[in-house]
Formats: sequence, structure tokens, C-alpha cells
Amino acid sequence: AAGVIQSPRHLIKEKRETATLKCYPIPRHDTVYWYQQGPGQDPQFLISFYEKMQSDKGSIPDRFSAQQFSDYHSELNMSSLELGDSALYFCASRPDRGKTGELFFGEGSRLTVL
Amino acid sequence: EDQVTQSPEALRLQEGESSSLNCSYTVSGLRGLFWYRQDPGKGPEFLFTLYSAGEEKEKERLKATLTKKESFLHITAPKPEDSATYLCAGGGYNKLIFGAGTRLAVHP
Repeated sequence: AAGVIQSPRHLIKEKRETATLKCYPIPRHDTVYWYQQGPGQDPQFLISFYEKMQSDKGSIPDRFSAQQFSDYHSELNMSSLELGDSALYFCASRPDRGKTGELFFGEGSRLTVL
Repeated sequence: EDQVTQSPEALRLQEGESSSLNCSYTVSGLRGLFWYRQDPGKGPEFLFTLYSAGEEKEKERLKATLTKKESFLHITAPKPEDSATYLCAGGGYNKLIFGAGTRLAVHP
């Protein structure tokens, strides 16, 4: 069965550079979530989209932005990168909002800022 | 403020030694309480959803229960392959708030 696809899987950037992470949800999943997980930490909610509209916002820095496109894939754009942005970034998708609590997570994108 | 607290932070068990993990929560607009399993370097994997106090769900050696203020994940006769971080999350349609997790290590 198709899973959530994230790219790139690994990314190394310098401080003050820009990075873009992509997420392709499971087909027919209309809700996408982004989470940031630092080493040994729990996943921190960043932002979510439902039907291409932002539905909720968590602890996402102003330097970050995200959007969901017409084909339901989502991109997380991160600018002016800082050392503290080094983390695993997970995307998750969810089918048919309201009928299930199950989120399907991707394998994550590991960002290292040097 | 929305909060999910898990205990213990880490748990070491011998194979076959049953135990329970705790999750307490205060989440506004809570629509469900969720348990996930996470292996190192991987995304969380869904285990259970609990919607109302008194509800129980089971899967192999795991059983999740829910009260009005907390949830328990009971592990019966665990095996080494049950070693993972178990995350509890509360939330609604638009976001899940995760706890810090319990790192479970099961030794043969």
C-alpha cells in the first residue's frame, strides 16, 4: 500500500541558508500535518492543512512557511536556518477528516544545519 | 495550555514481565486519545484511538484504556521486539499534541 512520501530524506545546510521539504500524502488523504522532532524529543506540531487551506498552527517559527498544493502535496519552506532547526521533520496525512484518529506518518526528512 | 504528560520516561523490562505506561492529558477540544509506537529514526506508527472514558482497545500484547483524565497502555508478557518509544497524543481534527514518550526496552 502507498505510504506518505517525504523528500529529501536527508539534507545538510549551512546557517542562514534556505531549505524546502516536500510531502506527498497517501492518495485521497486530504489533511496534511507537519511535525518537528529534535533529538530525544517528542514530535512538535508545526502546522496542518485541510483541503489546501491552513487548518491549524502550532509552534512554527516565522522563518518557516508551508502550503498545500492542488494535488494535495505539501511543502515546508525554511529560511534563515539556525543550528537549532536541526531535527527530523515528519509529515503525516489523514483520510476523510473526522472518521478516524489515525495519522499516517512518513519516514521523515532529517535536516542538519552546520 | 494543551499538555500531554507521559510516565515513566524510560522503562526496562525483562521478557515476559508485564507493566503499564501512563498518559495524562489536558487538551482543549479533545476528540480522541491516541497511542503511537516509534522506532528510532522512523515516523510514529499508529496503535490505538480511544474516544470515551471506559473504552478499551487491544492489539496482540498491548491494551489501551481511557479514563476522564488519563490513559494507560498495558503491556502483557512483552517480547524484545516490543522495544520502542510509545507516544501518547491528544487532539482534534487539526492537530495532535504528543507527549514526550516512554522509551521501553525489553531484554531477553
